[in-house]
Amino acid sequence: DAGVTQSPTHLIKTRGQQVTLRCSPKSGHDTVSWYQQALGQGPQFIFQYYEEEERQRGNFPDRFSGHQFPNYSSELNVNALLLGDSALYLCASSFSSGPNTGELFFGEGSRLTVL
Amino acid sequence: KQEVTQIPAALSVPEGENLVLNCSFTDSAIYNLQWFRQDPGKGLTSLLLIQSSQREQTSGRLNASLDKSSGRSTLYIAASQPGDSATYLCAASRSGGYNKLIFGAGTRLAVHP
Repeated sequence: DAGVTQSPTHLIKTRGQQVTLRCSPKSGHDTVSWYQQALGQGPQFIFQYYEEEERQRGNFPDRFSGHQFPNYSSELNVNALLLGDSALYLCASSFSSGPNTGELFFGEGSRLTVL
Repeated sequence: KQEVTQIPAALSVPEGENLVLNCSFTDSAIYNLQWFRQDPGKGLTSLLLIQSSQREQTSGRLNASLDKSSGRSTLYIAASQPGDSATYLCAASRSGGYNKLIFGAGTRLAVHP
């Protein structure tokens, strides 16, 4: 049973460019959440997708957007990259049958470096 | 607003010691408290999940407890090994919050032979 898979694992961009990160959830999971982890800090919640819609969002600007596909996979898009967007981007999946269910399982992350 | 704090920020111990990592949270209306392990540059591995109706969970040499009234959780690691060296993160989700996790900054653990 494959766990949460993310791609690419590493990428380097320059300021002002755009990036797309991809995530395939664990088999049987229908909810995908994205987190940003800066060096030396805990992950911060970006947003969560369920039934192809953004269900909730953290304190991130509109430059951060996402999408969920019918097969539950998800993309995170970041426009107009800033140096401060350099971080490890983590995808987590869970099965949601209500507001209080679903242990989260995380992928290995995508390491983004903005030069 | 939920805030999660982990103490200590870093810990170095000799192999074989029993140790306790601490996590405190400000909002007692939590639903899940989850402990993770993170190796350098890697993703998060779930260690233990404690639901609000539970007081502790155990897995092998790991034991995690939850005290909602005091806003604290502890992760106990018995007979530490060099392979336990990693960053340990705790995260809390709010009741009704669709499992959005609020993380602490982590405790960096080094176990030396």
